[in-house]
Amino acid sequence: GQNIDQPTEMTATEGAIVQINCTYQTSGFNGLFWYQQHAGEAPTFLSYNVLDGLEEKGRFSSFLSRSKGYSYLLLKELQMKDSASYLCAPMDSNYQLIWGAGTKLIIKP
Amino acid sequence: GAVVSQHPSWVICKSGTSVKIECRSLDFQATTMFWYRQFPKQSLMLMATSNEGSKATYEQGVEKDKFLINHASLTLSTLTVTSAHPEDSSFYICSARRGEGRETQYFGPGTRLLVL
Repeated sequence: GQNIDQPTEMTATEGAIVQINCTYQTSGFNGLFWYQQHAGEAPTFLSYNVLDGLEEKGRFSSFLSRSKGYSYLLLKELQMKDSASYLCAPMDSNYQLIWGAGTKLIIKP
Repeated sequence: GAVVSQHPSWVICKSGTSVKIECRSLDFQATTMFWYRQFPKQSLMLMATSNEGSKATYEQGVEKDKFLINHASLTLSTLTVTSAHPEDSSFYICSARRGEGRETQYFGPGTRLLVL
């Protein structure tokens, strides 16, 4: 079956670094997305990894290991506005995104 | 960056009426668009996959006669909720897939539907 596993909730301090881990199982694999979703809003695209390794984009970086079915999103220099849910979404062989419940990130001053 | 728009952003309607939601990819051609529904504090739920020029593929449990999807062009897909009832009240979000070497999926801002 298809499955996503992320922590339900994480708390971090403003200015710090946080890593959100994701393990997945899918029927086929066409890359993995990370999205940010604020309460009451649609998801916003953060990153897409299809090859193993680290992709860095400003304060956000995303890592993928296809052999381990593992990815993480690294957020640096945390800001209060980063408080949101972060969704790990691998894409299966039909180019459909597989969704879990996401990780709710709470940033404290 | 790529933008996907949805219209309307808010709909309030009476039970029994039909509601049409448009999803447009503004600066790229989307061969595939996806329609999702999200209830408060729940995960995104895929309703259907829409490919330009062909019939939509619906997920199990989604009534295709109730949720009519049309993907008339590479930049426009529409979802019509027919004979809406209060239990259809939800947040409807579309996403558009950009392939062709720049694989990604962008979401529209969503449409909030409230059926009275």
